[in-house]
Amino acid sequence: SAVISQKPSRDICQRGTSLTIQCQVDSQVTMMFWYRQQPGQSLTLIATANQGSEATYESGFVIDKFPISRPNLTFSTLTVSNMSPEDSSIYLCSVVGQGSNQPQHFGDGTRLSIL
Amino acid sequence: GENVEQHPSTLSVQEGDSAVIKCTYSDSASNYFPWYKQELGKRPQLIIDIRSNVGEKKDQRIAVTLNKTAKHFSLHITETQPEDSAVYFCAAKGYSTLTFGKGTMLLVSP
Repeated sequence: SAVISQKPSRDICQRGTSLTIQCQVDSQVTMMFWYRQQPGQSLTLIATANQGSEATYESGFVIDKFPISRPNLTFSTLTVSNMSPEDSSIYLCSVVGQGSNQPQHFGDGTRLSIL
Repeated sequence: GENVEQHPSTLSVQEGDSAVIKCTYSDSASNYFPWYKQELGKRPQLIIDIRSNVGEKKDQRIAVTLNKTAKHFSLHITETQPEDSAVYFCAAKGYSTLTFGKGTMLLVSP
C-alpha cells in the first residue's frame, strides 16, 4: 500500500493562530481525505480533497476554517485557521490508491494542542 | 446519509477466547465494509474488508461476515492474543465516502 507521510506529527499552538498540515504520498492516489479524531472518539470526515478544485466539505465543516489544497495526485494540505482549544484533536490524512476496489489507508496523524 | 451503529463499545476477553464485534448500517446502497484496528497513539490500520457480493471472508484468525438483508456485518477474532488489544472500527461505504462506527475497545487479558 502507499506510504503516507504527514507533517508535523504534533504541535502546540496558541489560540488565534493557524497551522498547515501536509500529507505526502509516495505514489499517485485517486482520493485524498482529511479526518478529525478527538480523544477517545471515532473518525469524522472533514472533507474530500479534490485535485485542482475546491474540496468537498462535510456538514459542520467550512472552507474558511479548514482550507484544503490538493495541487496534484500525491500531495494535500489542511489548514486549521484561527485555532481555539476546541480544535485540539488528531488530524488524519487518508488516501485511496489508483485502480479498482482499492482500500483506504491512513497516515499517522497530526496531534494538535491549542493553548 | 449513512449511519453505522457498532456494539459493544468495550469488550474484555481472556487470551484464547473468541471476540465478536457487530455493526449495523442504514443505507442499503452501501457495498463496501472495512474494519480498522487502532492501537493507542497509532494510525487506524485496515485489517480486513468485505464487499456486498460476498457473505464471508477469512484471513487467519480474523473473519468478517455480512448479512445484506439484515444490513449488519460482524468481525470475528478467534484465539485472541494480548496484541489484539486495541480499538476496532467498522465502516460502511456507499456512493463515495466511509462512515465509521464509534469503535469497540477490545481488551485481551493474559
